[in-house]
Amino acid sequence: EAGVAQSPRYKIIEKRQSVAFWCNPISGHATLYWYQQILGQGPKLLIQFQNNGVVDDSQLPKDRFSAERLKGVDSTLKIQPAKLEDSAVYLCASSLEVYGGSGNTIYFGEGSWLTVV
Amino acid sequence: KQEVTQIPAALSVPEGENLVLNCSFTDSAIYNLQWFRQDPGKGLTSLLLIQSSQREQTSGRLNASLDKSSGRSTLYIAASQPGDSATYLCASSGGYNKLIFGAGTRLAVHP
Repeated sequence: EAGVAQSPRYKIIEKRQSVAFWCNPISGHATLYWYQQILGQGPKLLIQFQNNGVVDDSQLPKDRFSAERLKGVDSTLKIQPAKLEDSAVYLCASSLEVYGGSGNTIYFGEGSWLTVV
Repeated sequence: KQEVTQIPAALSVPEGENLVLNCSFTDSAIYNLQWFRQDPGKGLTSLLLIQSSQREQTSGRLNASLDKSSGRSTLYIAASQPGDSATYLCASSGGYNKLIFGAGTRLAVHP
């Protein structure tokens, strides 16, 4: 079974530039997550989709970050304009579903490493 | 607001030792508690998931326990091996599978 696919794996940009990350979840997984992991910290949820609807985006800096999952499958996370503090690993994850909060195993991709200089 | 803390931040042990990693959380109203492993440059791999109604889960040499009333979980690793070297993260889950992570314990097992 193919895992969660992310691209690009590494990106270096200058501050105020824009960047986009792509994620393809495991086939059949309704729920898709984007996490930000700053070096030395645990991942922080940015946005969670159920199919193509947003479940939670309370920690997404909406003035510069945007995310979409138009067809309920793959997703794109965009940062524009980037700041130095956006340097982090952006992890995409997926799970079967979240209804009832029972907790399904969440599968993570290998991440997209962003350095803003 | 849920806060998750992991102690110790780093741990170095000789091969063969049994060890315990600690995780504490401030809000006991959780759906489950999960332990993940992260290798350098990689994503996270789920190790164990303990539902709120359960006390522990076991997988091979790993055993995780959950005490909701005290806001604590432990991950016990038996007979550690160099291949166990990684960062171990715990995460509490509220509704809708929203995970709140600790900062992790960086484990090094040396031969």
